[in-house]
Amino acid sequence: GNSVTQMEGPVTLSEEAFLTINCTYTATGYPSLFWYVQYPGEGLQLLLKATKADDKGSNKGFEATYRKETTSFHLEKGSVQVSDSAVYFCALSDPYFGNEKLTFGTGTRLTIIP
Amino acid sequence: NAGVTQTPKFRVLKTGQSMTLLCAQDMNHEYMYWYRQDPGMGLRLIHYSVGEGTTAKGEVPDGYNVSRLKKQNFLLGLESAAPSQTSVYFCASSPLLRNEQFFGPGTRLTVL
Repeated sequence: GNSVTQMEGPVTLSEEAFLTINCTYTATGYPSLFWYVQYPGEGLQLLLKATKADDKGSNKGFEATYRKETTSFHLEKGSVQVSDSAVYFCALSDPYFGNEKLTFGTGTRLTIIP
Repeated sequence: NAGVTQTPKFRVLKTGQSMTLLCAQDMNHEYMYWYRQDPGMGLRLIHYSVGEGTTAKGEVPDGYNVSRLKKQNFLLGLESAAPSQTSVYFCASSPLLRNEQFFGPGTRLTVL
């Protein structure tokens, strides 16, 4: 079956540091890949996505590139802010079921200290 | 445009009690979902619906029932609550032909 493995947290960084959160996946076919963010006390929000190999998703200074050869979709940001403190989830959509099947990683809690 | 809303936000139940969680969306989305979120386990799909009047089982459906009588509403029922159902429950919806899900704010349920 499909699975998503994310880097264990929690991750604590200083403001303006470089961020990488690793995500690798297992799936048959060609899934779409997502990063969702959950701010304290809120539901998940889509941060960025990529639908095919070599696509780069980007939003709010975050980027992730769909790497089919390494089955990875690592999240990066060049300079983090305190407001980026949240839980980040990597996810994939089943290429055969599409909307019906999203598989999530366990989430990575990120804390940015001033 | 409220997006996805969930009622209630918090609830405490005793073992064996029943309750219904309500999810409503005003975006005219075809698909709706119920997830539970537990520490260290990410989100797990309980049930989902691909349209009004249809429901299907997800990854962890046991102990839950759902109904989608109206397109905008998706109800999650617990007939006899157990402590193992203590969790945060999220509802989500997505439009046809677009694999992006929109989430509600969650319901924190504690079963004593």
